Formats: sequence, C-alpha cells, structure tokens
Amino acid sequence: NAGVTQTPKFRVLKTGQSMTLLCAQDMNHEYMYWYRQDPGMGLRLIHYSVGEGTTAKGEVPDGYNVSRLKKQNFLLGLESAAPSQTSVYFCASRPRGKDQPQHFGDGTRLSIL
Amino acid sequence: KQEVTQIPAALSVPEGENLVLNCSFTDSAIYNLQWFRQDPGKGLTSLLLIQSSQREQTSGRLNASLDKSSGRSTLYIAASQPGDSATYLCAVRTTGRRALTFGSGTRLQVQP
Repeated sequence: NAGVTQTPKFRVLKTGQSMTLLCAQDMNHEYMYWYRQDPGMGLRLIHYSVGEGTTAKGEVPDGYNVSRLKKQNFLLGLESAAPSQTSVYFCASRPRGKDQPQHFGDGTRLSIL
Repeated sequence: KQEVTQIPAALSVPEGENLVLNCSFTDSAIYNLQWFRQDPGKGLTSLLLIQSSQREQTSGRLNASLDKSSGRSTLYIAASQPGDSATYLCAVRTTGRRALTFGSGTRLQVQP
C-alpha cells in the first residue's frame, strides 16, 4: 500500500546543476501536484497535472519544468538550480471530483549550495 | 486571490486539555476545506475534509467546523495527548481552482 512515493528523499546540489524529482502514485489518481514548503510560508503550488500528458502552471512555476508521460508518474525538473530553490518539495495526488482529498508523499529535502 | 491565515502560529498545552485551532480565508467561494497533520520531516496526512455545504465533520477526538460566510474554520481537539504534537495545516479549494491554498500552519506541542 505505497500511496504516493517521492524519490529521492534528500539531495544536495551545486548552483547551476540540474536534477529531476520523481513522484509515483499507485492509486490511479487523475490529478497530481508539486508543492514547495518553505519556513513560515506554508505550501505553494509549483505545477500540476489533470491527467496523463497534461501540465499546468501553479503559483510559483519559474525555474521548474514538469512532465506527465505516464498517469502514475509526475516529474519535476530543475534545469539550472539556484539557492532560492532550496526547499522541501511535496508531491500530491487525488481522484477526479471536487471533494476528493489530496494524498501527499513524504517530501524531498533539496539544498542548493 | 485566496489567502489562508492560521492563528496562533504555535501553541503549547498540558496533556488532557481541550484546544481549538483557527483558520480563516478571504474568499468564501470554496468547494471544500481540508485539515492536515504534518509530523517533523514527514508529509501531510489528511485529517478531515469539510464540503462547502457542510457545517462540521468529526473523526474520533477531532471536530472541524466551517462557517463559509465568515470565512472561518476551527479544528477542535478533545482531551489532547502528547501524540497529537505536530503541525496542523488548513487548506481551502477555491471554486474554479484545481489546487489547494494552504495556511502556514499551527505548531502544537502537548506537554505530558
């Protein structure tokens, strides 16, 4: 009963490096989300997807790209990492329907030096 | 733009006390409001979801209320226990939006 799984759990990057965060869900959910959580600021939406092959921008999309090639996976990419992207990244998913709760992964803690 | 505020930012209570966490939001046109629990270094666990047509939801020692017209929700925790220590986050889904807007959370410490 895995739910939402995020890989990796921790990562340290140097400024300018690139990397991809992977989110996988085994609940056949249509909607998937990427958030970042910074101290004192709650969670902010980066990008989201309403189904396989679709993506849309959230509140803070700059510096990130996403892809949803398979329904169960949602990838978050940083092309050229910056110190301002140091954060904890959370992935979430939910079924279609306006009153369906979101299910979250355990997060990826990313530090950019 | 929807804004969600949680007060207080931190709260410390002795074990056994009943307590109330507050959440307010600026746009009352919402589909639902969700309360989450977050333990240190962990993800978010959904506690309760209240639909816009509902006034409250209960789960065990937790009771969440919603007053959409005034833009307020409360999470009531009865007979608090040290295991309740965590950060509690409130989030709303605004009408026409597909994602949640989160408050910054209330960090709760229950002292044994």
